[in-house]
Amino acid sequence: DGGITQSPKYLFRKEGQNVTLSCEQNLNHDAMYWYRQDPGQGLRLIYYSQIVNDFQKGDIAEGYSVSREKKESFPLTVTSAQKNPTAFYLCASSRTGPSARGAFFGQGTRLTVV
Amino acid sequence: KNEVEQSPQNLTAQEGEFITINCSYSVGISALHWLQQHPGGGIVSLFMLSSGKKKHGRLIATINIQEKHSSLHITASHPRDSAVYICAVGGGGGADGLTFGKGTHLIIQP
Repeated sequence: DGGITQSPKYLFRKEGQNVTLSCEQNLNHDAMYWYRQDPGQGLRLIYYSQIVNDFQKGDIAEGYSVSREKKESFPLTVTSAQKNPTAFYLCASSRTGPSARGAFFGQGTRLTVV
Repeated sequence: KNEVEQSPQNLTAQEGEFITINCSYSVGISALHWLQQHPGGGIVSLFMLSSGKKKHGRLIATINIQEKHSSLHITASHPRDSAVYICAVGGGGGADGLTFGKGTHLIIQP
């Protein structure tokens, strides 16, 4: 079955360390997205990519980096520059960039920085 | 930028009750999603709507494009329906993915 796989589900890191969250999809979707969720807030867009080797900053990109070397993969690195990295991170993909049609979601990664 | 408002923010009901969760948005969209998030964080897509009404089991989702409003209904609610329900909208001219509501925290008591 096609879908999006995020790993790991739970991740613990020490303050000051970079950490990379994995997101893989086998849906042949062009567009992929990373969102962050904090308690009491809606999910907010970190980065998105509409095509391989291209990506754009979302609303809260500071302290994060991404790459899109393959259509199937869109890893997110939380760098030491991110002031408050503890959060729930959600990856999504869709068929086309400008449209929400056919969007699929991963199960999320809960990152805790200690 | 689209503004998405959900109501109520919190809802506690008894098993068997009919549940309605509302979502309003400010800018025209191409599609609206209803998502379910269980404790632990995993998100499941329940519906994607661009017009009219969809039904899946005990869940019904409706959308009124002219009024920029959608509702999610749960019939014969059950404790396993307890979760956060999130409305998300897309399109409306932006190429930056979805705009999410803050979610409605639903608790169904036995």
